[in-house]
Amino acid sequence: EAGVAQSPRYKIIEKRQSVAFWCNPISGHATLYWYQQILGQGPKLLIQFQNNGVVDDSQLPKDRFSAERLKGVDSTLKIQPAKLEDSAVYLCASRTLNTEAFFGQGTRLTVV
Amino acid sequence: EDQVTQSPEALRLQEGESSSLNCSYTVSGLRGLFWYRQDPGKGPEFLFTLYSAGEEKEKERLKATLTKKESFLHITAPKPEDSATYLCAVATNAGKSTFGDGTTLTVKP
Repeated sequence: EAGVAQSPRYKIIEKRQSVAFWCNPISGHATLYWYQQILGQGPKLLIQFQNNGVVDDSQLPKDRFSAERLKGVDSTLKIQPAKLEDSAVYLCASRTLNTEAFFGQGTRLTVV
Repeated sequence: EDQVTQSPEALRLQEGESSSLNCSYTVSGLRGLFWYRQDPGKGPEFLFTLYSAGEEKEKERLKATLTKKESFLHITAPKPEDSATYLCAVATNAGKSTFGDGTTLTVKP
């Protein structure tokens, strides 16, 4: 079974630039999560989708972050404009109702 | 507000030296508690789910236990390949999930 695919693996941008991350979940997984993991901390939930609907985006900084999941499959997370404090690993995870969450390898973002 | 606290932050063991990692939690309506392993540069990898106090799960040298306030991950006779960060997460009946900041385990040969 293929895992959760994320791209790019690494990204370096200057502050105030924009960036987008892509996630392809495991086939058939209706629930998709985006997490932000700052170095030395645990993952922090940014947004949760059920199919293509948003279930929880209470911790998403909506003035600069946006996410979509078209057709209930792939998802993109965008940051515009980026700040220095956005430097982190962005993890995508997916699951079904009866399984645990499976994580991708993440995208490491450095904002300079 | 849901809270998950893991201790210690870092743990250094000699190969074969057994120990335990702690995960204390405060949540409203626990649906499940999860343990993950995270290697550098990788996403978390699922280890166990515990649903109710008194439940125990085992996998190779790892055993996870759950009480009403905390969970322990016991590591018996660890090997260097067990070195990783171990993350605890709770999920609530309201559908929320919260991770702790992890315990970084180093096992020296």
